[in-house]
Amino acid sequence: DTAVSQTPKYLVTQMGNDKSIKCEQNLGHDTMYWYKQDSKKFLKIMFSYNNKELIINETVPNRFSPKSPDKAHLNLHINSLELGDSAVYFCASSQVGQRPYGYTFGSGTRLTVV
Amino acid sequence: AQSVTQLGSHVSVSEGALVLLRCNYSSSVPPYLFWYVQYPNQGLQLLLKYTSAATLVKGINGFEAEFKKSETSFHLTKPSAHMSDAAEYFCAVSGAGNEKLTFGTGTRLTIIP
Repeated sequence: DTAVSQTPKYLVTQMGNDKSIKCEQNLGHDTMYWYKQDSKKFLKIMFSYNNKELIINETVPNRFSPKSPDKAHLNLHINSLELGDSAVYFCASSQVGQRPYGYTFGSGTRLTVV
Repeated sequence: AQSVTQLGSHVSVSEGALVLLRCNYSSSVPPYLFWYVQYPNQGLQLLLKYTSAATLVKGINGFEAEFKKSETSFHLTKPSAHMSDAAEYFCAVSGAGNEKLTFGTGTRLTIIP
């Protein structure tokens, strides 16, 4: 059983298109995250949701819109894709408030905008 | 606010040699510190974590790290490198509530046969 699963694993699309990445966790965690890893491997948090409520919203263009229908799912929708959006996007989950055991990450979605 | 600095974006060691990857942290509150490993085209896997219990933390695959408050460091070591250790390693820090994990810039470890 995959703890944090993301789909799709690879996504190639043209500039200007709209795309979505889905994430699901079966760990019973109450918090989910989206991270972006750029071409230099730098990981930066984008969003965090706790029990479907947005709690972290870093400086991210408003073309990026996260949606959490329930605490086990966090999707990322991106409008009007740009070349600079090409990156690997990681979903993660954790249980906030408990002794921090670190996040559990999904395997990533490699987005290529052409 | 918390941050970590990883010294050395690339480290090469011979197979069987000591691995030392450096991480220094900055935190206004007692930090929780983590090391993650990322193998090519894969996600991040937790190697070990420091959560204010023992200062010497043992992780998976023979890795360990020591929390040194006086040096604000949390360096990762392994006595004898294996070819399978070749990967990207990330140091990360969070506050007590675990709300946000902030990563260092990563260190690519290459193992020389």
